[in-house]
Amino acid sequence: GAVVSQHPSWVICKSGTSVKIECRSLDFQATTMFWYRQFPKQSLMLMATSNEGSKATYEQGVEKDKFLINHASLTLSTLTVTSAHPEDSSFYICSARVSSGSKRQETQYFGPGTRLLVL
Amino acid sequence: KQEVTQIPAALSVPEGENLVLNCSFTDSAIYNLQWFRQDPGKGLTSLLLIQSSQREQTSGRLNASLDKSSGRSTLYIAASQPVDSATYLCAVTYLGGNNRLAFGKGNQVVVIP
Repeated sequence: GAVVSQHPSWVICKSGTSVKIECRSLDFQATTMFWYRQFPKQSLMLMATSNEGSKATYEQGVEKDKFLINHASLTLSTLTVTSAHPEDSSFYICSARVSSGSKRQETQYFGPGTRLLVL
Repeated sequence: KQEVTQIPAALSVPEGENLVLNCSFTDSAIYNLQWFRQDPGKGLTSLLLIQSSQREQTSGRLNASLDKSSGRSTLYIAASQPVDSATYLCAVTYLGGNNRLAFGKGNQVVVIP
């Protein structure tokens, strides 16, 4: 099956610093990747949709200048949390979409997540 | 806006009992519905995907049904085992959402040995 990795799996940083999270599709090419955030006992909330070679599309209420997304290749997307604050502490999960053509399965494969703690 | 609701939020069952998890969604215009498993602090594992034209999908002890007209899906887990303890998330890919997924908050399941 399709495998998606994330690095790092967890990170602790000081308030005000920036943190970069990588999302890679290991054995397939993904034209579209998604970034989600999940707070404890809450649902996954879509932050942005990332298309290779173009600007990301952010969901309402998500600051694009704070959460920088770069989708430089068909196998790598990065999320940078700039000037992190304690309220940015969360579980960040990426997914990569595989399109199966006429069947339109549009399956998304999820990474293992990155836990961010901002002190 | 698509809203996905999962009931109950949490449940505990003795080992061997069948599990029934419910998911409802407000907009029936969907491409598909998926059930995921999430272990604490981990990512998501896809369990079953049901296309909008299908009524159910089965994999081993798992069976998921879809009633698109009423906006409901049910995940059945037969003969539950302690390893089934996890949070189960329901998500729909909805039309008009650029193929984005809308997630429920999950059913947190504990199977008691």
